[in-house]
Amino acid sequence: GENVEQHPSTLSVQEGDSAVIKCTYSDSASNYFPWYKQELGKRPQLIIDIRSNVGEKKDQRIAVTLNKTAKHFSLHITETQPEDSAVYFCAARRRSNTGNQFYFGTGTSLTVIP
Amino acid sequence: DSGVTQTPKHLITATGQRVTLRCSPRSGDLSVYWYQQSLDQGLQFLIQYYNGEERAKGNILERFSAQQFPDLHSELNLSSLELGDSALYFCASSGVGTRGYTFGSGTRLTVV
Repeated sequence: GENVEQHPSTLSVQEGDSAVIKCTYSDSASNYFPWYKQELGKRPQLIIDIRSNVGEKKDQRIAVTLNKTAKHFSLHITETQPEDSAVYFCAARRRSNTGNQFYFGTGTSLTVIP
Repeated sequence: DSGVTQTPKHLITATGQRVTLRCSPRSGDLSVYWYQQSLDQGLQFLIQYYNGEERAKGNILERFSAQQFPDLHSELNLSSLELGDSALYFCASSGVGTRGYTFGSGTRLTVV
């Protein structure tokens, strides 16, 4: 099966600085990589995603990059704000004949210090 | 509202008891997934159903079971509850052509 590793587990940045979270995956059959943001006590919410045929995708202050050869993908948040503080999960989707199967990283707790 | 409905939102019960958590997937989604999230922990995959059939199992205890009904809603049954079962239980759904999972708001289970 797939194995997704995520680093770092915790990250503190000053407001306005950038934050980078990195994930690696093991199964070359994985073809879709979403990122979720989870605020305390709330449900994970999809914030950005990237498909395996794309190397980079950007949405305002958030960007995701994918290196298929190295099997790693990263989340980049620029000009961080206190409301970016949350736990972020990466995931890899592997298609099979039984449907989609998502594998999650262990999460990164991001704290943006005002 | 994500379109995935979970009930109840909160549940407090005693050790040894049995509870049932319910999930209605987003309209049109055939796959339902259950996850357990303990305090400060990641998302632990429990089980997946696709159109009524079990498709994948994760770290689900034998005391736990689930099913998906013909109307596609799913129930997660937790029995012989222990203090360590206290957690947030999330249901998620996905469908053909949909992006990622859509998570429900979760059920917070507290075992006392």
